Amino acid sequence: DQQVKQNSPSLSVQEGRISILNCDYTNSMFDYFLWYKKYPAEGPTFLISISSIKDKNEDGRFTVFLNKSAKHLSLHIVPSQPGDSAVYFCAALPPGQGGKLIFGQGTELSVKP
Amino acid sequence: DAGVIQSPRHEVTEMGQEVTLRCKPISGHDYLFWYRQTMMRGLELLIYFNNNVPIDDSGMPEDRFSAKMPNASFSTLKIQPSEPRDSAVYFCASSGAVGFYTDTQYFGPGTRLTVL
Repeated sequence: DQQVKQNSPSLSVQEGRISILNCDYTNSMFDYFLWYKKYPAEGPTFLISISSIKDKNEDGRFTVFLNKSAKHLSLHIVPSQPGDSAVYFCAALPPGQGGKLIFGQGTELSVKP
Repeated sequence: DAGVIQSPRHEVTEMGQEVTLRCKPISGHDYLFWYRQTMMRGLELLIYFNNNVPIDDSGMPEDRFSAKMPNASFSTLKIQPSEPRDSAVYFCASSGAVGFYTDTQYFGPGTRLTVL
Protein backbone atom coordinates (compact mmCIF):
# COMPACT_ATOMS: atom_id res chain seq x y z
CA ASP A 1 0.00 0.00 0.00
CA GLN A 2 1.81 3.08 -1.29
CA GLN A 3 1.14 6.04 0.99
CA VAL A 4 3.22 8.33 -1.20
CA LYS A 5 2.76 7.99 -4.95
CA GLN A 6 4.58 9.41 -7.91
CA ASN A 7 2.47 8.28 -10.83
CA SER A 8 4.82 9.41 -13.58
CA PRO A 9 7.87 7.17 -13.79
CA SER A 10 9.53 9.50 -16.28
CA LEU A 11 9.37 13.03 -17.66
CA SER A 12 11.19 14.62 -20.57
CA VAL A 13 11.57 18.39 -20.84
CA GLN A 14 13.43 20.78 -23.12
CA GLU A 15 16.24 22.84 -21.60
CA GLY A 16 15.02 26.22 -20.42
CA ARG A 17 11.41 25.09 -19.99
CA ILE A 18 9.60 24.30 -16.76
CA SER A 19 9.71 20.82 -15.24
CA ILE A 20 6.77 19.85 -13.03
CA LEU A 21 7.03 16.70 -10.95
CA ASN A 22 3.97 15.53 -9.08
CA CYS A 23 3.39 13.58 -5.89
CA ASP A 24 0.23 12.42 -4.14
CA TYR A 25 -0.18 11.13 -0.61
CA THR A 26 -2.97 9.31 1.16
CA ASN A 27 -2.57 10.24 4.82
CA SER A 28 -3.89 13.69 5.73
CA MET A 29 -1.86 13.56 8.96
CA PHE A 30 1.44 13.89 7.09
CA ASP A 31 2.83 17.29 8.02
CA TYR A 32 6.25 17.56 6.41
CA PHE A 33 7.36 16.76 2.88
CA LEU A 34 10.72 16.57 1.18
CA TRP A 35 12.13 16.14 -2.30
CA TYR A 36 15.33 14.23 -2.89
CA LYS A 37 17.34 14.07 -6.09
CA LYS A 38 19.33 11.04 -7.17
CA TYR A 39 22.00 10.70 -9.84
CA PRO A 40 23.02 7.25 -11.15
CA ALA A 41 25.38 5.34 -8.87
CA GLU A 42 24.92 7.89 -6.08
CA GLY A 43 22.71 8.11 -3.05
CA PRO A 44 19.75 10.50 -2.93
CA THR A 45 20.51 14.06 -1.82
CA PHE A 46 18.12 16.45 -0.14
CA LEU A 47 16.73 19.13 -2.43
CA ILE A 48 13.90 21.07 -0.80
CA SER A 49 11.20 20.61 1.84
CA ILE A 50 7.88 22.08 2.89
CA SER A 51 5.92 22.07 6.12
CA SER A 52 2.16 21.63 6.09
CA ILE A 53 1.71 25.13 7.52
CA LYS A 54 2.90 26.51 4.17
CA ASP A 55 1.64 26.06 0.64
CA LYS A 56 4.82 27.10 -1.13
CA ASN A 57 8.56 27.02 -0.56
CA GLU A 58 11.12 28.37 -2.97
CA ASP A 59 14.86 27.85 -3.29
CA GLY A 60 16.44 29.30 -6.39
CA ARG A 61 15.12 27.49 -9.44
CA PHE A 62 13.22 25.00 -7.30
CA THR A 63 9.75 25.60 -5.86
CA VAL A 64 7.56 23.11 -4.05
CA PHE A 65 3.81 23.63 -3.85
CA LEU A 66 1.56 21.88 -1.37
CA ASN A 67 -2.20 21.45 -1.78
CA LYS A 68 -3.37 19.88 1.46
CA SER A 69 -7.01 19.53 0.46
CA ALA A 70 -6.00 17.54 -2.61
CA LYS A 71 -3.18 15.73 -0.75
CA HIS A 72 -0.89 16.71 -3.57
CA LEU A 73 2.47 18.36 -3.91
CA SER A 74 4.54 19.33 -6.88
CA LEU A 75 8.10 20.35 -7.58
CA HIS A 76 8.69 23.03 -10.20
CA ILE A 77 12.10 23.55 -11.76
CA VAL A 78 12.46 26.75 -13.74
CA PRO A 79 14.39 26.98 -15.97
CA SER A 80 15.30 23.33 -16.40
CA GLN A 81 18.94 22.52 -17.12
CA PRO A 82 20.57 19.33 -18.46
CA GLY A 83 22.27 18.89 -15.07
CA ASP A 84 18.83 18.51 -13.51
CA SER A 85 18.46 15.16 -15.25
CA ALA A 86 18.09 12.71 -12.36
CA VAL A 87 15.52 10.68 -10.45
CA TYR A 88 13.42 12.78 -8.07
CA PHE A 89 11.87 11.22 -4.99
CA CYS A 90 9.04 12.73 -3.02
CA ALA A 91 8.94 11.83 0.69
CA ALA A 92 6.60 12.41 3.62
CA LEU A 93 7.41 12.51 7.32
CA PRO A 94 4.53 11.10 9.36
CA PRO A 95 3.91 12.92 12.65
CA GLY A 96 5.08 11.26 15.82
CA GLN A 97 7.34 8.77 14.09
CA GLY A 98 10.68 10.44 14.51
CA GLY A 99 12.71 10.00 11.37
CA LYS A 100 10.60 7.54 9.43
CA LEU A 101 10.43 8.99 5.91
CA ILE A 102 8.01 7.42 3.44
CA PHE A 103 9.23 7.73 -0.14
CA GLY A 104 7.46 7.57 -3.46
CA GLN A 105 8.67 5.44 -6.37
CA GLY A 106 10.54 8.29 -8.00
CA THR A 107 10.25 10.15 -11.31
CA GLU A 108 13.13 10.14 -13.78
CA LEU A 109 13.56 13.59 -15.28
CA SER A 110 15.41 14.01 -18.55
CA VAL A 111 16.25 17.57 -19.63
CA LYS A 112 17.25 17.69 -23.27
CA PRO A 113 19.57 20.41 -24.62
CA ASP B 1 33.65 14.63 6.62
CA ALA B 2 33.66 11.77 4.09
CA GLY B 3 29.91 11.36 4.27
CA VAL B 4 28.13 8.07 4.76
CA ILE B 5 30.34 5.18 3.68
CA GLN B 6 28.94 1.90 2.43
CA SER B 7 30.71 -1.30 1.45
CA PRO B 8 30.81 -3.16 -0.77
CA ARG B 9 29.54 -0.99 -3.65
CA HIS B 10 28.60 -4.06 -5.64
CA GLU B 11 27.88 -7.58 -4.49
CA VAL B 12 27.06 -10.57 -6.66
CA THR B 13 26.21 -13.78 -4.88
CA GLU B 14 24.38 -17.02 -5.41
CA MET B 15 21.02 -17.89 -3.97
CA GLY B 16 21.33 -19.31 -0.47
CA GLN B 17 24.52 -17.49 0.42
CA GLU B 18 24.84 -15.06 3.30
CA VAL B 19 25.30 -11.41 2.40
CA THR B 20 26.54 -8.69 4.74
CA LEU B 21 26.29 -5.01 3.86
CA ARG B 22 28.20 -2.43 5.88
CA CYS B 23 27.68 1.20 6.74
CA LYS B 24 29.63 3.92 8.50
CA PRO B 25 27.43 6.92 9.31
CA ILE B 26 28.53 10.54 9.48
CA SER B 27 30.29 11.21 12.76
CA GLY B 28 27.97 12.80 15.32
CA HIS B 29 24.75 11.62 13.68
CA ASP B 30 22.61 9.63 16.07
CA TYR B 31 20.11 8.23 13.58
CA LEU B 32 20.92 5.53 11.05
CA PHE B 33 18.56 4.22 8.38
CA TRP B 34 18.65 1.24 6.00
CA TYR B 35 16.64 1.53 2.76
CA ARG B 36 16.08 -0.71 -0.22
CA GLN B 37 15.41 0.66 -3.70
CA THR B 38 13.51 -1.33 -6.32
CA MET B 39 11.84 -0.26 -9.54
CA MET B 40 8.42 -1.33 -8.33
CA ARG B 41 8.40 0.16 -4.84
CA GLY B 42 10.96 2.92 -4.96
CA LEU B 43 12.80 3.60 -1.71
CA GLU B 44 11.56 1.53 1.21
CA LEU B 45 12.70 2.01 4.78
CA LEU B 46 13.80 -1.32 6.22
CA ILE B 47 14.91 -0.35 9.72
CA TYR B 48 16.25 2.62 11.63
CA PHE B 49 18.35 3.09 14.73
CA ASN B 50 18.58 5.91 17.25
CA ASN B 51 21.70 5.96 19.41
CA ASN B 52 22.49 2.42 18.24
CA VAL B 53 19.09 1.07 19.34
CA PRO B 54 16.67 -0.28 16.71
CA ILE B 55 13.54 1.88 16.80
CA ASP B 56 11.42 0.57 13.95
CA ASP B 57 12.09 -2.62 12.00
CA SER B 58 8.61 -2.96 10.54
CA GLY B 59 10.02 -2.61 7.03
CA MET B 60 12.29 -5.63 7.31
CA PRO B 61 10.73 -8.01 4.80
CA GLU B 62 11.45 -11.35 6.42
CA ASP B 63 13.36 -13.08 9.17
CA ARG B 64 16.10 -13.64 6.63
CA PHE B 65 16.97 -9.97 7.11
CA SER B 66 18.72 -8.71 10.23
CA ALA B 67 20.48 -5.47 11.13
CA LYS B 68 22.83 -4.52 13.92
CA MET B 69 24.51 -1.39 15.15
CA PRO B 70 27.19 -2.41 17.65
CA ASN B 71 28.50 1.15 18.02
CA ALA B 72 27.88 4.69 16.80
CA SER B 73 30.16 4.35 13.81
CA PHE B 74 29.16 1.03 12.29
CA SER B 75 26.10 -0.90 11.19
CA THR B 76 25.47 -4.08 9.22
CA LEU B 77 22.54 -5.43 7.26
CA LYS B 78 22.64 -9.17 6.82
CA ILE B 79 20.59 -11.40 4.53
CA GLN B 80 20.74 -15.10 5.23
CA PRO B 81 19.91 -16.99 3.09
CA SER B 82 19.75 -14.64 0.12
CA GLU B 83 17.20 -15.05 -2.68
CA PRO B 84 17.02 -13.59 -6.21
CA ARG B 85 14.15 -11.31 -5.17
CA ASP B 86 16.50 -9.59 -2.73
CA SER B 87 18.36 -8.10 -5.69
CA ALA B 88 18.16 -4.33 -5.26
CA VAL B 89 20.19 -1.30 -4.28
CA TYR B 90 20.54 -0.96 -0.52
CA PHE B 91 21.16 2.48 0.93
CA CYS B 92 22.30 3.54 4.35
CA ALA B 93 21.54 7.06 5.56
CA SER B 94 22.27 9.01 8.72
CA SER B 95 21.00 12.19 10.33
CA GLY B 96 21.11 14.31 13.41
CA ALA B 97 17.99 15.38 15.29
CA VAL B 98 15.93 18.56 15.44
CA GLY B 99 13.58 18.30 18.37
CA PHE B 100 11.47 15.21 17.99
CA TYR B 101 12.18 14.93 14.29
CA THR B 102 15.33 13.98 12.52
CA ASP B 103 17.27 16.47 10.53
CA THR B 104 18.03 16.00 6.83
CA GLN B 105 19.04 12.45 6.01
CA TYR B 106 22.36 11.99 4.25
CA PHE B 107 22.60 8.93 2.06
CA GLY B 108 25.55 6.75 1.22
CA PRO B 109 26.27 5.72 -2.39
CA GLY B 110 24.46 2.41 -1.97
CA THR B 111 25.31 -1.27 -2.43
CA ARG B 112 23.99 -2.90 -5.58
CA LEU B 113 23.16 -6.49 -4.68
CA THR B 114 22.59 -9.15 -7.30
CA VAL B 115 21.51 -12.60 -6.18
CA LEU B 116 21.77 -15.20 -8.93
